[in-house]
Formats: sequence, structure tokens, C-alpha cells
Amino acid sequence: SQQGEEDPQALSIQEGENATMNCSYKTSINNLQWYRQNSGRGLVHLILIRSNEREKHSGRLRVTLDTSKKSSSLLITASRAADTASYFCALGPTGGFKTIFGAGTRLFVKA
Amino acid sequence: DAGVIQSPRHEVTEMGQEVTLRCKPISGHDYLFWYRQTMMRGLELLIYFNNNVPIDDSGMPEDRFSAKMPNASFSTLKIQPSEPRDSAVYFCASSRTTGLDQPQHFGDGTRLSIL
Repeated sequence: SQQGEEDPQALSIQEGENATMNCSYKTSINNLQWYRQNSGRGLVHLILIRSNEREKHSGRLRVTLDTSKKSSSLLITASRAADTASYFCALGPTGGFKTIFGAGTRLFVKA
Repeated sequence: DAGVIQSPRHEVTEMGQEVTLRCKPISGHDYLFWYRQTMMRGLELLIYFNNNVPIDDSGMPEDRFSAKMPNASFSTLKIQPSEPRDSAVYFCASSRTTGLDQPQHFGDGTRLSIL
């Protein structure tokens, strides 16, 4: 399968703690995106990182990309109950025409 | 700006019936995607359009599924006849011109239950 594999599948933390989610993949990519999905809603784009970038920040989000290890991580700092959602990585394969979504990590932040 | 609009939000029908799902993409977006999400299979791309033309329908599971995009502001996904295994949440998404490196904007989905 070409899709990204998120790890862990589920994560439960206390409010204020940091949450780290990982995505590993096997194909060559031009970019990698992270999305959030709240219960009963559609996916919402969070951040895109290109293959020539190593790190990107957006507010409390920090994304890293290591193309040599074919892995990415999403760090949410100082988590809030509102961060409770599923988080998906999405691959933009080199030479491909379709974004490929992983199975997601379910994050639960306890107040 | 209005986001991607899908209707209906929920659909419950009996097997064998025709089901039509509707989507209005964001104005100015040239790409439109239909996805299906289930617990077992995750998020699957069914078909996508570029400038109203179907580009890749390899994800459409069977001939019972069909999708059309008659104009830039409307698309339908039709299942005929429907079966219980078609029960899922169906999402429509759109993105801007360059497609693959652009964020996709998702609607809130149609939750379909086939009895």
C-alpha cells in the first residue's frame, strides 16, 4: 500500500500536555499534508510541508519531515480539549495525481 | 466564503433504492473529489474531476456507482441499486487549480445507511 501509516492509532492525554503523532510511508513524495477531522465533520487542512522542507510551524502545530526515513511527525503543543479529533497524514506522491490519506490517529484530550 | 456544501447530511433508505448525493464545490476550485469513509477501509478516493471532466474513476467500486459534474458548481454521486455494504460517510472535497499540492476543502459529508 502507498498510504501513510499513522502511529499511534489512538492517543489520550491531559489538557496542557503535548501530543505527537507520526506518519510513515513507503513511496516517494513531493509533499505531505496533515488534516484534522472532528466527529461528524469533514476533514480540515492543517499544514502542508514540501519534500525540500524539514520543519514547519503554524500556531501550536509543528510538523517535521524526514524524507530519508520516510516519516513525518505532527506535534501539538499545550493541547486543549478542543484538539480532540482524528488526525490524518496525506501524501502527495512524486509523479502521482492523487493525494493518499492514511488511516488516522484518534486524539483525545482530557480536560 | 461558503465552504463545500453537501446534501443531504443523512440518508436512510432500503436496499435496491437509488441514492443521489449532491455537492457544491467552492467557487473557483477546479478539482472536485468524491471520497467514501468507513471504519474498516478508512478514507477512499472514488473519483475526481478537473474542470468538470472525470480524470480518474478507478476507485469507483462497481458499475452501480456513477458520478457526474454537469457544471463547475455542482456534482452528483449516484448509487443504483444501493446495497447495505454501501453504508458509509461520503465526502466531497474541492481544491484549486494545481490540485495535488493544494489543500483539499471537505464538505461535512453525507452519512448513508442502506437497510
